[in-house]
Amino acid sequence: QKEVEQNSGPLSVPEGAIASLNCTYSDRGSQSFFWYRQYSGKSPELIMFIYSNGDKEDGRFTAQLNKASQYVSLLIRDSQPSDSATYLCAVNGRGSGNTGKLIFGQGTTLQVKP
Amino acid sequence: DGGITQSPKYLFRKEGQNVTLSCEQNLNHDAMYWYRQDPGQGLRLIYYSQIVNDFQKGDIAEGYSVSREKKESFPLTVTSAQKNPTAFYLCASSPTVLGSSPLHFGNGTRLTVT
Repeated sequence: QKEVEQNSGPLSVPEGAIASLNCTYSDRGSQSFFWYRQYSGKSPELIMFIYSNGDKEDGRFTAQLNKASQYVSLLIRDSQPSDSATYLCAVNGRGSGNTGKLIFGQGTTLQVKP
Repeated sequence: DGGITQSPKYLFRKEGQNVTLSCEQNLNHDAMYWYRQDPGQGLRLIYYSQIVNDFQKGDIAEGYSVSREKKESFPLTVTSAQKNPTAFYLCASSPTVLGSSPLHFGNGTRLTVT
């Protein structure tokens, strides 16, 4: 089992819809969770981070964390074509000698169609 | 403006040659990292450094070397021992290495070895 898993997609949604991106992780000791957006050929940029169970909202973005289920998600409301990118989930690894380093999923490609 | 500068943006080398990728940050961050990204894949950690004159291997350190002589600088050398060096290389920094802080990324160096 991969340490951080994401569906590679592509996930296709119409403009204005809600895009839901999901991520599961294997290390129960993980405490910090990050979502990065990466446009093709560019470096990742931070979208959201979440440390506590529940929801965290920032503009059109909502991060949801469920530590019991080892699941973190990112919701994008009112999706725009400019949201089309690859979204990377990153989790800090506390166990297995990871000493807090961030472990990245392979990313989910989102396509927002006008 | 604070940030991370990677140079060059594109780099071409012949097989068998060593090549050094530059990474400089002016964010006053203690921790610095090197990641590699291959098409359709997430980021894989090569090396990281928590403090000057100290660094640790990541998940795929074979064929790479680093130095951390100054807080601001963390150059990566891709040696001829690296079997598949063609990739997108990303340098990042964070205030600490504990994983609770998000990473700040440079713009990346795309290395092509033929």
